[in-house]
Amino acid sequence: DQQVKQNSPSLSVQEGRISILNCDYTNSMFDYFLWYKKYPAEGPTFLISISSIKDKNEDGRFTVFLNKSAKHLSLHIVPSQPGDSAVYFCAASAKRYFSGNTPLVFGKGTRLSVIA
Amino acid sequence: DGGITQSPKYLFRKEGQNVTLSCEQNLNHDAMYWYRQDPGQGLRLIYYSQIVNDFQKGDIAEGYSVSREKKESFPLTVTSAQKNPTAFYLCASSIDGRVNTEAFFGQGTRLTVV
Repeated sequence: DQQVKQNSPSLSVQEGRISILNCDYTNSMFDYFLWYKKYPAEGPTFLISISSIKDKNEDGRFTVFLNKSAKHLSLHIVPSQPGDSAVYFCAASAKRYFSGNTPLVFGKGTRLSVIA
Repeated sequence: DGGITQSPKYLFRKEGQNVTLSCEQNLNHDAMYWYRQDPGQGLRLIYYSQIVNDFQKGDIAEGYSVSREKKESFPLTVTSAQKNPTAFYLCASSIDGRVNTEAFFGQGTRLTVV
């Protein structure tokens, strides 16, 4: 069963507008969430993360919002640029008190296209 | 420059052959991971290692084997028991598998069975 879900396979946005990518999770033990950006035939690159003790984290044009009660997080990109066109992955990990955090669990990704 | 190096970038294997994918990091990270990406499937965890000489199975470990004899190296062997080995393989590392931190990825190896 998928623990991290990205229900929108693709998203198209005009340059300069806001891009909102969504992610839902089912495991209530997840306490750390990340967003990665990936180009074809390359490894993912880390964008931004958020701990479960926060509900918002901002880094330049990227903001991640976390709603723990809804088990939902979103990535906002403002303003969107053509270079933002890529696949975005949501990931999460859970704390395990005796054996370290779990490895990252990834969603299936959302392909963002920013149109000039 | 510090980073994770995966080699080769492209690899072709005949059915029935074992093949080993290399992953080396010079970031002094304790934890290393192998993921597999298939179209529309996201990244799925094969194996991970939180410390030298120790490793754990991930969600799809069947048909794969790993070793962690050195901190900087975490090679993945795709055995003939793996039914669908054609995929994009990604190696990652993180500073410490016990704390919340991001993982850094290599550039990947595309394995094709011919």
